[in-house]
Amino acid sequence: GESVGLHLPTLSVQEGDNSIINCAYSNSASDYFIWYKQESGKGPQFIIDIRSNMDKRQGQRVTVLLNKTVKHLSLQIAATQPGDSAVYFCAENKGTYKYIFGTGTRLKVLA
Amino acid sequence: NAGVMQNPRHLVRRRGQEARLRCSPVKGHSHVYWYRQLPEEGLKFMVYLQKENIIDESGMPKERFSAEFPKEGPSILRIQQVVRGDSAAYFCASSPKESTDTQYFGPGTRLTVL
Repeated sequence: GESVGLHLPTLSVQEGDNSIINCAYSNSASDYFIWYKQESGKGPQFIIDIRSNMDKRQGQRVTVLLNKTVKHLSLQIAATQPGDSAVYFCAENKGTYKYIFGTGTRLKVLA
Repeated sequence: NAGVMQNPRHLVRRRGQEARLRCSPVKGHSHVYWYRQLPEEGLKFMVYLQKENIIDESGMPKERFSAEFPKEGPSILRIQQVVRGDSAAYFCASSPKESTDTQYFGPGTRLTVL
């Protein structure tokens, strides 16, 4: 079946360190991926996206890497800050309006 | 910068009552999506609507649930005769057009059924 999953349900990092959040997807037909951040009690917030014709995309302090060979997506957050504490979801899209969301990884930033 | 708005933010209902959730999309967006999220779980697609049309309701239970997006006014997700299992966060998202356009989410409505 198709699925979008995450390797680590909880990730704890020291403030100032870099964070890497991973996501595996099973459908090679997926051509668009998004990372969302969800803070407690709030809705998902778009962070960064990447299309399947790219391997890497950078934003402000965030980088998304896509490895189509092993169907793996990662989100790298540089110099992690307390405000980065949240649940991070990857979402997969196959050219339709239906996104498939992973269950999320909880990022905890330790002071 | 008016994003997706949802109200109420919190809704408490007793079993058997009706819950009505509202969503106003980003100005200019004509596509609305509703998702349900259980605690510690990912978002599950429920329904996709365009103005005055339901495009895909495959993720929405056939009974008790309905959705609309009228020509004027917000999109409404209605749950009749609520049961405890309906307790969840319901998120609305909007996009300017379908397909791979990014969906922008509202803050959600947290429904608690007593």
